[in-house]
Amino acid sequence: DAGVTQSPTHLIKTRGQQVTLRCSPISGHKSVSWYQQVLGQGPQFIFQYYEKEERGRGNFPDRFSARQFPNYSSELNVNALLLGDSALYLCASRSGTYATNEKLFFGSGTQLSVL
Amino acid sequence: GQNIDQPTEMTATEGAIVQINCTYQTSGFNGLFWYQQHAGEAPTFLSYNVLDGLEEKGRFSSFLSRSKGYSYLLLKELQMKDSASYLCAVREGQAGTALIFGKGTTLSVSS
Repeated sequence: DAGVTQSPTHLIKTRGQQVTLRCSPISGHKSVSWYQQVLGQGPQFIFQYYEKEERGRGNFPDRFSARQFPNYSSELNVNALLLGDSALYLCASRSGTYATNEKLFFGSGTQLSVL
Repeated sequence: GQNIDQPTEMTATEGAIVQINCTYQTSGFNGLFWYQQHAGEAPTFLSYNVLDGLEEKGRFSSFLSRSKGYSYLLLKELQMKDSASYLCAVREGQAGTALIFGKGTTLSVSS
């Protein structure tokens, strides 16, 4: 079975532009989360979606938005890009059983560079 | 507030044992996870602790003390392929709540 897939793998944008990142969860997984990982730091939570509804939001500005589609894939949008948005954007999926030991499965990420 | 501390870097030699510590201060606690992340790759799950004590899984073990806000990841019989970043993450709320990650510990294994 395929793992979590993200596209594109790399992206270069300029300040002020908008970007859309895409994620397909593991087959059968109903929940998708987005994390931002700046070089040398741990992943920081941005959004979580379950059954197409937003279930959590981290401390990120309104320039960041996301949605989940009926097939459970997801998109992360970032408007008015800033240099500080340069980071690895990770998507993670989980089955959605809410078991206490339920773990996240991460994709390889999209490396976004803002010039 | 939330605070998760890990050493930034550690070095060790092949065949040795290394212990990576993680201390946390969070408003709630409902589980601690360890992930391994090789450069340029996705983080992969290593272990999960929610009760005090040691969880062993092959060459890797993880320990938790909730009263001390402390965990460690123990790696035995180190191999070159264990060179990676090790991320400690805490879940504050109910199952399904987002994880709060530490900055990660970069482990370098030399021959």
